[in-house]
Amino acid sequence: ETGVTQSPTHLIKTRGQQVTLRCSSQSGHNTVSWYQQALGQGPQFIFQYYREEENGRGNFPPRFSGLQFPNYSSELNVNALELDDSALYLCASSFDSGYEQYFGPGTRLTVT
Amino acid sequence: AQKVTQAQTEISVVEKEDVTLDCVYETRDTTYYLFWYKQPPSGELVFLIRRNSFDEQNEISGRYSWNFQKSTSSFNFTITASQVVDSAVYFCALSSRPILTGGGNKLTFGTGTQLKVEL
Repeated sequence: ETGVTQSPTHLIKTRGQQVTLRCSSQSGHNTVSWYQQALGQGPQFIFQYYREEENGRGNFPPRFSGLQFPNYSSELNVNALELDDSALYLCASSFDSGYEQYFGPGTRLTVT
Repeated sequence: AQKVTQAQTEISVVEKEDVTLDCVYETRDTTYYLFWYKQPPSGELVFLIRRNSFDEQNEISGRYSWNFQKSTSSFNFTITASQVVDSAVYFCALSSRPILTGGGNKLTFGTGTQLKVEL
């Protein structure tokens, strides 16, 4: 196991609602990246946080937002949920200047 | 823009067979990094290997080996004597050197290859 934890494991929401997903990074890591993985696809980069600042963003609308806390844990918030937001959301942590990203088990979000 | 192509959607082999998973990448960067991750049914991505663009030496780790060829922009992964526990989706990924110091960088993934190893 990588030491990266995510909560909750599964979540069911209704279209239009808001959701918050949480990630605790591996001990010693100061960077958290979030990815969205639709069924049968590879993960897509949402954004990355480094020392509490956003450090790069993928092609996702502003209703996807995030936070990183002083202990380097992170949140992903999605507003105005759409059916296409149904996916596995993966969090990955890495050490400063390191390139190996270690992934958590993911949160499976279903939007109905 | 960066792109990773894994043309093999699904591969089925019988246990103890050797299998090679193909990965072709595109990037304009001269310095970049290539990765392989394994995703078992549980969903967690497991890091297998990272390769720097300036190091074309092939690598072997137990039953796993990787063949990096810059001339053909390929980074193929071979499992020797496959086992049922190798059944998973395997992803090849690419990242560039970070724009800012520290913090790592984003990964661009391929669409994955589903490997099924049967008895």
